[in-house]
Amino acid sequence: AQSVSQHNHHVILSEAASLELGCNYSYGGTVNLFWYVQYPGQHLQLLLKYFSGDPLVKGIKGFEAEFIKSKFSFNLRKPSVQWSDTAEYFCAVNPSGYSSASKIIFGSGTRLSIRP
Amino acid sequence: DADVTQTPRNRITKTGKRIMLECSQTKGHDRMYWYRQDPGLGLRLIYYSFDVKDINKGEISDGYSVSRQAQAKFSLSLESAIPNQTALYFCATSAVSGTVSNNFGPGTRLTVT
Repeated sequence: AQSVSQHNHHVILSEAASLELGCNYSYGGTVNLFWYVQYPGQHLQLLLKYFSGDPLVKGIKGFEAEFIKSKFSFNLRKPSVQWSDTAEYFCAVNPSGYSSASKIIFGSGTRLSIRP
Repeated sequence: DADVTQTPRNRITKTGKRIMLECSQTKGHDRMYWYRQDPGLGLRLIYYSFDVKDINKGEISDGYSVSRQAQAKFSLSLESAIPNQTALYFCATSAVSGTVSNNFGPGTRLTVT
């Protein structure tokens, strides 16, 4: 069965530290990939997405993610985090070929806490 | 104004009660979804609808039903609520083609006692 793994359940960093959140998926075919962010008490917002082309994707708020097909990974990175990045981050995968977003599969999320 | 609205935002109900969660959107999207979010489990799809006449079960549809009253409205019902349905419920929309990504509503926190 298709699945998405986020191995880091809770990450704690100091401001200005670099961030990398891991995401691995299990699906043998072509995929669309997403990172969503959920700030405390708020709904999910799309941070960035990958459909095709350059595997290094730039998102909002200085985030980026790199798709490495051989590793089935789509890790999220930010060179210098801020206190306002405190949130929960969800990786999601949508197998291409399905005609709708109904097959979006979410990871269990990584809670990021930034110490001021 | 928000593109996707959900009512109520918070609800506490008793076991066995029927409850309806409502979702409305102004994005003009054909596709609408209901997810539940549980700590440590991420989001799981309950039901989705491609248009008014098309309703599909998601990963965890047991105990839930839905109604797509119009393109802009998609309601989720718990016919007889049970405590393990305590969760955060999100409605989402997406366009038929293009980005595929979901646009989420603010969520409804449901507690079943």
